[in-house]
Amino acid sequence: QVQLVQSGAEVGKPGASVTVSCKASGYTFIDYYIHWVRQAPGQGLEWLGWINPNSGGTNYAQKFQFWVTMTRDTTINTVYMDVSRLKSDDSAVYYCARGDLVAPGAIRHYYMDVWGKGTTVTVAS
Amino acid sequence: QSALTQPASVSGSPGQSVTISCSGTSSDVGHDNSVSWFQQQPGKAPKLMIYGVSHRPSGVSDRFSGSKSGNTASLTISGLQDEDEAHYYCSSYTIRTTSILFGGGTKLTVL
Repeated sequence: QVQLVQSGAEVGKPGASVTVSCKASGYTFIDYYIHWVRQAPGQGLEWLGWINPNSGGTNYAQKFQFWVTMTRDTTINTVYMDVSRLKSDDSAVYYCARGDLVAPGAIRHYYMDVWGKGTTVTVAS
Repeated sequence: QSALTQPASVSGSPGQSVTISCSGTSSDVGHDNSVSWFQQQPGKAPKLMIYGVSHRPSGVSDRFSGSKSGNTASLTISGLQDEDEAHYYCSSYTIRTTSILFGGGTKLTVL
């Protein structure tokens, strides 16, 4: 079955970086976008950006474009998200989610149909 | 403050129907058919319930339906069941910043 398996909980110090991974299985990895979404405790969902696993191209939310980096390794069907210069309000659950089919000229619906279970990132000194 | 506006809470009795609204602008909700709806149970990842304004993914009950009028999208849940109690979020692509916006979320309580 289609599955996204995320790495375990992380603790990072203010100013440091953390990397969260998301391993895909059950489908052709390079055929679908991967989104990253976060949720602070008791808060709503916040979109960070997407990566095209085929080309490696990325699109970040303006708020995150200078301190979030998304990459992929097609040999192991894994996407990575690095969050740098951690602040206390970066403490959240970070989710990866599968998006639309990567197909030139295709109409995109910008949905997220399969989600990982989430990775808790705690920023603490 | 979220870019898409949802009511903080709605409620209904079992068997009734409820509608959750999601208001945006002509740059997002009103621009194209990129509205999605997600259900989130406590401690769980969100689950896609509706995409492309009104399309249901395989396995989602037909009690869930979506629509849009102008800059406002709606999720209607008919025949409410206890298991529908959850938070619901809408999302939409925005051409203004070429990014995806979420609504602030609506807590549905089944009375």
